[in-house]
This record gives sequence, C-alpha cells and structure tokens, in this order.
Amino acid sequence: SAVISQKPSRDICQRGTSLTIQCQVDSQVTMMFWYRQQPGQSLTLIATANQGSEATYESGFVIDKFPISRPNLTFSTLTVSNMSPEDSSIYLCSVMTALYGYTFGSGTRLTVV
Amino acid sequence: GENVEQHPSTLSVQEGDSAVIKCTYSDSASNYFPWYKQELGKRPQLIIDIRSNVGEKKDQRIAVTLNKTAKHFSLHITETQPEDSAVYFCAARPPGAGSYQLTFGKGTKLSVIP
Repeated sequence: SAVISQKPSRDICQRGTSLTIQCQVDSQVTMMFWYRQQPGQSLTLIATANQGSEATYESGFVIDKFPISRPNLTFSTLTVSNMSPEDSSIYLCSVMTALYGYTFGSGTRLTVV
Repeated sequence: GENVEQHPSTLSVQEGDSAVIKCTYSDSASNYFPWYKQELGKRPQLIIDIRSNVGEKKDQRIAVTLNKTAKHFSLHITETQPEDSAVYFCAARPPGAGSYQLTFGKGTKLSVIP
C-alpha cells in the first residue's frame, strides 16, 4: 500500500497557538484527505486536499480554522489555528489509490492545554 | 449526504466463535464499502472491501456480504482469535462527480475472550 509519513506524531500546545501537521506520501496520489478522530469516536472528514486549488471542506469545518495546503501530489499540510482544548484530538491524513483503496497515516495526537 | 449506522457498538465473543458486525447506509447509489480495523493507538487498517457489483467477498477468516436492496452490509469473522480484538469501522462511499469521500460508521469494539 501507499506509505504515508505523518508528523508530528504527538504534540502538546498552548491554547491560542497553531500547529501544522505534515503528510508525505511515497508516491503520487490524486486524492488526499484529512480526518479528525476524537478519543473513542469514529473518523470525521475535515476536508479533501486538492492539488493546485483550495481544499474542499465538510460541514462544520472552515478554512480559517483548518487551512490546508497541497503543493504537489505527494505532500499536504493541515494547520489547526487558534487552538482551544476542544481541538484536542487525533488528526489523520488519508490517501486513496486505485490499487490499495484508502490508507491512513499514523496520526497526530494533539493535546491543547 | 450519506449516513452509515453500525451495530453493535460493543461485541464480546469467545475465542473460536464467529463475530458479525452489521452496517446500513442511506444512499442507494453508494458503490464502495470498506472495513477497517483499528487497534488501540494505531491507524485504521483496511481489512476487506466490497464493491456494489459484488454480493460477497472472502479473505481467509474474514468475509463481507452486501445486500443492495436492503442497503446493508456485514462483516463476518470466523474462528476468532485474541488478536482480532480491536475497533472495527465500516464505511460507505457515495458516488458523485469528483466525490471520493468515505462516510464511517461509529465503530464496533470487538473483544475476543481467550
């Protein structure tokens, strides 16, 4: 399957600050996604990261809070801006390939204090 | 949008028994249904998937069945082992121009008792 490197793996941040999460894939992929998974919960799609254009956000998520970059077909970043304790969660990137379906990065465990 | 319901939320079985997890979906046009296993602290891993043109798919001890008429699909694990203990998520992908998003169920925590 596609190998996804996601970093940082975890971080503890002060409220009001921002954190940028990186996702690097070992091959070119068209579709990249960002999910949030709160403890003990399911996966919620934040946005689809589109290469060369603005990300497509799901209901309840906005660009000012979760800006996303996708400069090429192997890399994307998600920024969690102006963080509050409610943003404490696991953030995962995911890619879709025709051969392997949808695979996930190892996740970033974010704690906001 | 698509809505996926998953049952049960928790399931305990004796080692060697079978486990069945069921999901229903709302969009009759959804065409792809993967199942993920997530162990504690790890990423979700795809274990099996099925497309809408197939009724059943099997991979060793794992099988998935799809009933398009009833809009439900099920995961079957036979001869369960302690290492099958994890949270399992079903998902569905509705069609649409440029739309490839998965909608996930809420998950089933499976415990296999030795």
